[in-house]
Amino acid sequence: EAQVTQNPRYLITVTGKKLTVTCSQNMNHEYMSWYRQDPGLGLRQIYYSMNVEVTDKGDVPEGYKVSRKEKRNFPLILESPSPNQTSLYFCASTETGLALKTQYFGPGTRLLVL
Amino acid sequence: AQTVTQSQPEMSVQEAETVTLSCTYDTSESDYYLFWYKQPPSRQMILVIRQEAYKQQNATENRFSVNFQKAAKSFSLKISDSQLGDAAMYFCAYRRFAGGTSYGKLTFGQGTILTVHP
Repeated sequence: EAQVTQNPRYLITVTGKKLTVTCSQNMNHEYMSWYRQDPGLGLRQIYYSMNVEVTDKGDVPEGYKVSRKEKRNFPLILESPSPNQTSLYFCASTETGLALKTQYFGPGTRLLVL
Repeated sequence: AQTVTQSQPEMSVQEAETVTLSCTYDTSESDYYLFWYKQPPSRQMILVIRQEAYKQQNATENRFSVNFQKAAKSFSLKISDSQLGDAAMYFCAYRRFAGGTSYGKLTFGQGTILTVHP
């Protein structure tokens, strides 16, 4: 089954304690990205990756890091979380190419930073 | 930069009735894609319908249809014969047609919460 998985699904942490949210896809997609969802703002892109070792900032990258060492994995790292990073996070992946490809979303990770 | 606006934070409809959710967008590009996503209480993102800007015909998927007005940059979603399972947050989204490093990026509106009354 084609899917994007995220772990953990729920996380409560404290300010400053480093955390990593994992994302993995089994469809051999080149393009992966992270979004955060906040009330009244919709989803906004944090970082994206066009392929292994190729990453770039989205619209709201401050306070986040990513890496893409393997094609299937795209972890999101919060080195020093702050309360304003409390949000719902989605990982997504899709094929590259000119034709429109389906974008697959993970189930979401709800993060609370105290 | 592209922007997407959903001006209706909340909408409600009676079961079996029809409801229309509004979306406007701003872009300087001539070719692009538009989408409606449904987000039920499970928070899963579910693609409802998509529209290619170069196609004049409005997209339809069963009870869901769109009214795409390219000149007005408007992309509304009509849900016919509403069902209780349609209750969810609905997001309008824009994607560039092709090219560049941001082609895979979706730009979302703020979302509209749809309530369906039995």
